[in-house]
Amino acid sequence: KAGVTQTPRYLIKTRGQQVTLSCSPISGHRSVSWYQQTPGQGLQFLFEYFSETQRNKGNFPGRFSGRQFSNSRSEMNVSTLELGDSALYLCASSLGAGTSSSNEQFFGPGTRLTVL
Amino acid sequence: AQSVSQHNHHVILSEAASLELGCNYSYGGTVNLFWYVQYPGQHLQLLLKYFSGDPLVKGIKGFEAEFIKSKFSFNLRKPSVQWSDTAEYFCAVNNNQGGKLIFGQGTELSVKP
Repeated sequence: KAGVTQTPRYLIKTRGQQVTLSCSPISGHRSVSWYQQTPGQGLQFLFEYFSETQRNKGNFPGRFSGRQFSNSRSEMNVSTLELGDSALYLCASSLGAGTSSSNEQFFGPGTRLTVL
Repeated sequence: AQSVSQHNHHVILSEAASLELGCNYSYGGTVNLFWYVQYPGQHLQLLLKYFSGDPLVKGIKGFEAEFIKSKFSFNLRKPSVQWSDTAEYFCAVNNNQGGKLIFGQGTELSVKP
């Protein structure tokens, strides 16, 4: 089974621009979660989508948004980029049902976003 | 508030030394516990997980962890580390209400050959 894939792997943007990141989950997984990883703040949960609906949300400003498509692929959008948005953005997928094992997260390689 | 605390920010060991990384959590209700590892330049990989049952769980590469409910702890151990264990280790917790994982700050492990 193919793992979680993320595109692009690297991205350079300037302040004020917007960016869209893409994540394809493992086949059969219906939940996709997004995380931001920075040296200062560590790994922080952004949001989770399950069956095209946002199920959980972290503590990030409204500039960060996402969506999920019917094939479970997900996109994350950041508008009006700030220097502090430079980070590794990780996507994780899981089966997403209500049991412990179905919530085990499988991570992709991440998208490294640099904001200049 | 839900939180995970890892006691050590950076640990330096010589090869063959024993390892124990501390993890404490503050999380209501039933919890699922995980340790992830991130090798330099690679993505997060699951080392081991605890859902229920035997509180001593074994993972890959000789790692194990013990869940102590009364102490809200899930410490990671390895009897003898190798240079290849150099990596960053993250403790994480979630519940059965979805995929939201709360991570600790991470512990950077450096193993000297």
